[in-house]
Amino acid sequence: AQSVTQLDSHVSVSEGTPVLLRCNYSSSYSPSLFWYVQHPNKGLQLLLKYTSAATLVKGINGFEAEFKKSETSFHLTKPSAHMSDAAEYFCVVSGSTGNQFYFGTGTSLTVIP
Amino acid sequence: EPEVTQTPSHQVTQMGQEVILRCVPISNHLYFYWYRQILGQKVEFLVSFYNNEISEKSEIFDDQFSVERPDGSNFTLKIRSTKLEDSAMYFCASRGQGLNTGELFFGEGSRLTVL
Repeated sequence: AQSVTQLDSHVSVSEGTPVLLRCNYSSSYSPSLFWYVQHPNKGLQLLLKYTSAATLVKGINGFEAEFKKSETSFHLTKPSAHMSDAAEYFCVVSGSTGNQFYFGTGTSLTVIP
Repeated sequence: EPEVTQTPSHQVTQMGQEVILRCVPISNHLYFYWYRQILGQKVEFLVSFYNNEISEKSEIFDDQFSVERPDGSNFTLKIRSTKLEDSAMYFCASRGQGLNTGELFFGEGSRLTVL
């Protein structure tokens, strides 16, 4: 069975400091992994995805994530937080058929001026 | 840039009433989904739809729910007799042609409030 765990429900960083949002997955096959962002009262926007190509994936808005199979992790990072990064972030893993997607519980990122 | 659109953005209804949420997926996509997010909770899968039939559904998607693609562009979610616990944000998503072409494209959601 597939599952995804976001280790922190809330993360707070100061503007200009690095961001680390953690995600671990469980899967019996090689999954595709995604990070989505949800700004208040908005839909879910794809930040980046891993689909068995390069393990370091670069996304929009300066975010990147590294797929580490040995650690079953797909942590999201950004070198320098911006106020506009304050949002809810979801780690998502695909199902074995590629047709279903499993969401983590989300991490709320607060950026302090 | 193509996008998924959903209507209405917000609907308030009385318990027991029928509700239809509408979605227009990206035009060349073949896989369609409904997810819901109860306030403060995680995003939950409801149903996926491909080739004019349901391909997968979750336990949440009981007999009160149905989906339809009536005209080749719209993708609707119907709740026959709403309950208080159906209050949530409902997200429609679509995905491209290949089974492993990756990401879901989401609409901005329809907020349903059941009184």
